[in-house]
Amino acid sequence: DTGVSQNPRHKITKRGQNVTFRCDPISEHNRLYWYRQTLGQGPEFLTYFQNEAQLEKSRLLSDRFSAERPKGSFSTLEIQRTEQGDSAMYLCASSLAGTGISSYTFGSGTRLTVV
Amino acid sequence: EDQVTQSPEALRLQEGESSSLNCSYTVSGLRGLFWYRQDPGKGPEFLFTLYSAGEEKEKERLKATLTKKESFLHITAPKPEDSATYLCAVEGQFYFGTGTSLTVIP
Repeated sequence: DTGVSQNPRHKITKRGQNVTFRCDPISEHNRLYWYRQTLGQGPEFLTYFQNEAQLEKSRLLSDRFSAERPKGSFSTLEIQRTEQGDSAMYLCASSLAGTGISSYTFGSGTRLTVV
Repeated sequence: EDQVTQSPEALRLQEGESSSLNCSYTVSGLRGLFWYRQDPGKGPEFLFTLYSAGEEKEKERLKATLTKKESFLHITAPKPEDSATYLCAVEGQFYFGTGTSLTVIP
C-alpha cells in the first residue's frame, strides 16, 4: 500500500452529465476526506468519513454532490448534472484518527473539466 | 469563526535569497498545525506537524516555527526546486489556507 490512490486522474465531461470519482485510502486509515481545489486556491473541504459514516459535510456540497464509503474502505464522489463551475481538482485524503494528531495523506487528485 | 490565513499570496525569490512564509490562525484550542508543499497538478505533500507554541522543525532548507497565533515557514538559501505552493492547515478543522506560491529564480 503505497499511498492514497485516485481514479481517474483526468475527466472531461459535457455539462449536464454525471461523473463519479473513486478514492482508495491508505488501508489502515479510518478517516477519508474529499476536497475541491480550483486554480490559485487552497483545498476546500467537502466532506469526511470515519469508517463508513459520513460525519460532516460542507455547505459547498450541494445536493448534486454525493459521497459514499460503503464498507469503510474506498470512497466514491458523484456529481450529478455537472456544471462548468464544477471544473476543479478533486482531492482525496486519508488519516488515522484515534491515535493522536495525524496529518492528512493526499492522493494526486482527479482533475475534472466540464465543457 | 475559525480561520487560517496565509501571506503573502505569491513570493518571488532569487536563488539563495532567504525569506519566510506566514500562516496565521484563529482556531481555538489548536491541537496541531500542518505544512504541505504542492507542486502543479499534484496533491499536497506533507512537510511538518507542529503541536505547541515554541516548537520548531527542520527539513533541508525549510524550518517551521509555531507561536500561539501564527506559524512561519522559513526558507534558507532556496533553490529553484523549492518552487511550489506551500499550504498550511490546522488539525481537526479541515481548513487550509489559500497557500503561498513560491517561485525561486535561478
